[in-house]
This record gives sequence, structure tokens and C-alpha cells, in this order.
Amino acid sequence: QKEVEQNSGPLSVPEGAIASLNCTYSDRGSQSFFWYRQYSGKSPELIMSIYSNGDKEDGRFTAQLNKASQYVSLLIRDSQPSDSATYLCAVILYNFNKFYFGSGTKLNVKP
Amino acid sequence: GAVVSQHPSWVICKSGTSVKIECRSLDFQATTMFWYRQFPKQSLMLMATSNEGSKATYEQGVEKDKFLINHASLTLSTLTVTSAHPEDSSFYICSARDQVGTVVFFGPGTRLTVL
Repeated sequence: QKEVEQNSGPLSVPEGAIASLNCTYSDRGSQSFFWYRQYSGKSPELIMSIYSNGDKEDGRFTAQLNKASQYVSLLIRDSQPSDSATYLCAVILYNFNKFYFGSGTKLNVKP
Repeated sequence: GAVVSQHPSWVICKSGTSVKIECRSLDFQATTMFWYRQFPKQSLMLMATSNEGSKATYEQGVEKDKFLINHASLTLSTLTVTSAHPEDSSFYICSARDQVGTVVFFGPGTRLTVL
């Protein structure tokens, strides 16, 4: 079983729509959760971090965490073509000694 | 945000040679650095976790004698691919966590091509 699982996509949404990206993790000891965006051929860049249950909003992005269900999601409002990328969910385990990524979900925002 | 650099950004080498990749945290002290490998159209695969001053912890299936990791200071970790072969060609990315924060920052990556 993978530590972090994501649907590989691609997820296609029209410009202006809400994109919903989902991630599940296997280890209940997971402490911190992150969403990264990766453009082709580039290194991942941090979008958001979330540490406690509930929602966290930052501009057009909202991260949602449900530790009971071991589920974390990212909502992108008013999606733009420039949001087209692969979105990686990441989880830190146990005193930050393990940092695992999901396989990523490819998002296509169509003009 | 914090800055992590990698050098070189790309390298081409002949099969059988060794290649060293440097990862530096430029404006913070990194107690933990992570090394990843990413093949085209695939996910980031954690290779090893290195803590300053101690031996790296390698993920299952990663040969520690082939991928030598040194984290000699709080701002520098190196990955040496020994006796590189074409199948080692990949995008190698490091990331670093500082002593206080709970966020991990990534370097820009090093693209290795072994001929």
C-alpha cells in the first residue's frame, strides 16, 4: 500500500470552474500535509500546507483535511489555464523523518 | 520563502563515471534534507533522508553504495551517483527542512543524462 494515493487524472475543467483534487494517506501518524504544484520539467513548488482538521484558505486555493478519514483535498476556485499542472499531495511522518509524495493528479484547465 | 539551490542544473556524463550533485539551503539551516528521483511522467520517488551529521536513511530498493549521500553541514548535502549507467538518467531533486519550520522547500532539480 502506498503511503499517499492520488488519482492520476487527467482532470479537465473549464476556465472559471472549481477544480477539486483529492488525496488519501495510509499512516495515521502523519503530521503535516502539503500540496505542491509541478510544471513539466520543473521542481515542485509549494501551494499550501495544512496541519489540523478543517479548511484552510489562501486566495483561490482551499485545502481541506479530515484526519479521521485520512483524506486531504485541494480546491481551486476560478481555475485558470495557468493552473494546468500536476498537483502533488505530500505527507510528513514522524518527526519529519519521512516525506512522501503521491503520484500526482494532472489538471487541465481549458480556456 | 526559503531558497534551496542545486548544482549542477544539468549534467551529461559517460557510462561508468561518477557524478556529484550538491544541494544547498541558502538562507536557513537544514537539519533534514530529502533526495528524490523522478523519471519522465512519473511521480517523485523518495530515495533517502539525510540528517546533518548522521548517515542517510535509504528507501527500500535504493542502493546506498551506488547513491552516496553526505550531509556534512547544516547547509549542504551531496548526492554522488557512482558508476552511473544510462538507467540512472533521471531528474534528481533535493528538498530541505529547517530547524524550526514545518515546511519543506525544494531545489530546482538536476537533470542527469548518462550516455
